[in-house]
Amino acid sequence: GENVEQHPSTLSVQEGDSAVIKCTYSDSASNYFPWYKQELGKGPQLIIDIRSNVGEKKDQRIAVTLNKTAKHFSLHITETQPEDSAVYFCAASRTGTASKLTFGTGTRLQVTL
Amino acid sequence: DTGVSQDPRHKITKRGQNVTFRCDPISEHNRLYWYRQTLGQGPEFLTYFQNEAQLEKSRLLSDRFSAERPKGSFSTLEIQRTEQGDSAMYLCASSLEGGPYEQYFGPGTRLTVT
Repeated sequence: GENVEQHPSTLSVQEGDSAVIKCTYSDSASNYFPWYKQELGKGPQLIIDIRSNVGEKKDQRIAVTLNKTAKHFSLHITETQPEDSAVYFCAASRTGTASKLTFGTGTRLQVTL
Repeated sequence: DTGVSQDPRHKITKRGQNVTFRCDPISEHNRLYWYRQTLGQGPEFLTYFQNEAQLEKSRLLSDRFSAERPKGSFSTLEIQRTEQGDSAMYLCASSLEGGPYEQYFGPGTRLTVT
């Protein structure tokens, strides 16, 4: 089955700096890679996703890149703000009949003033 | 609010008791997923439904767990004879068959088994 590794487990940045979170996956058939933000006591919130036919996707201050050959993908957050502080999870799945998500172990991002 | 809803939000039960959780997906979504999340970990897949059919179950889902989606709308997850190891956040998500593939999560039910 799919295995997703995520690094780092914690990340502290100053407000206004950039943050990068990296994930690798094992199943070459995976073709859908979402990122979720989870705040304390809440369910995961989808913030951006990328499909395997695309190398990069951007949405305002967040971007995701995908390297299919190396089987890794990354989340980039620019101009970080205190409200970006949360736990971020990457995930991978095969779209189709069984599109269950396999999640990484999470990155706790702390944006300090 | 047209998002995924879950009830109850918190449940404290004694070991050996049965508990049932409910999930209401986004109304037009025909796929519904259950995940379990323990402290400091990412969500782990338990099972999923397409309409009323349960199409896949994880090996994590022991025979004490059962899920239903009788009319293809809301779903229930029952845990019988709860154990302390069942303490976790139980998350429900929904999506559309055939894309887009985004899964939207509910707020979760936090179960504590004492």
